[in-house]
Amino acid sequence: AQKVTQAQTEISVVEKEDVTLDCVYETRDTTYYLFWYKQPPSGELVFLIRRNSFDEQNEISGRYSWNFQKSTSSFNFTITASQVVDSAVYFCALSEANAGNNRKLIWGLGTSLAVNP
Amino acid sequence: DGGITQSPKYLFRKEGQNVTLSCEQNLNHDAMYWYRQDPGQGLRLIYYSQIVNDFQKGDIAEGYSVSREKKESFPLTVTSAQKNPTAFYLCASSSDRGLHSGNTIYFGEGSWLTVV
Repeated sequence: AQKVTQAQTEISVVEKEDVTLDCVYETRDTTYYLFWYKQPPSGELVFLIRRNSFDEQNEISGRYSWNFQKSTSSFNFTITASQVVDSAVYFCALSEANAGNNRKLIWGLGTSLAVNP
Repeated sequence: DGGITQSPKYLFRKEGQNVTLSCEQNLNHDAMYWYRQDPGQGLRLIYYSQIVNDFQKGDIAEGYSVSREKKESFPLTVTSAQKNPTAFYLCASSSDRGLHSGNTIYFGEGSWLTVV
């Protein structure tokens, strides 16, 4: 069965520290998509990244980077030099191509990140 | 600006009343979704629609109803049959309505519903 596990429920760091949010997934499909979303206190879910299963290249966007490793079924998210504005809940999600449509988006329970000044 | 607009942001409902949450998008997306979020439970799919005048139940559709009369609009009604409606409700949309999944889902700002 498909599953997304974000083992870290809450993380607290001091500003400027690097922090990695873990995401482990389970799927039987060879074609799938992985997503990260950010949910700040305002509530809106903000899309951060989408990665397909055939692209294992790591991605960097400013202070954000993502490490996709199919061998360990992980899609971890690292924030470098964290800032207070990074404080939010971060969700990892999985979509399987054979599911037919996006309604099969499987969500992790989220990691609440607190960046303290 | 393009995006998804949900209203109201905060809504209070008396027990036994139906309430309707509005969701409008100007992204020209075919697919629209309603999710419910409870603390510690992540997101759960209520209903989704891939095309006008068609919609499908998600994982927790009981006590909810939707309509899709226009491409840009997908209102959600929380009926009195919903036993525990207090939650955060998120509307979303995506451009894909075909057989291939993986297109990004974009979200509105959410609506807080509280039963008093």
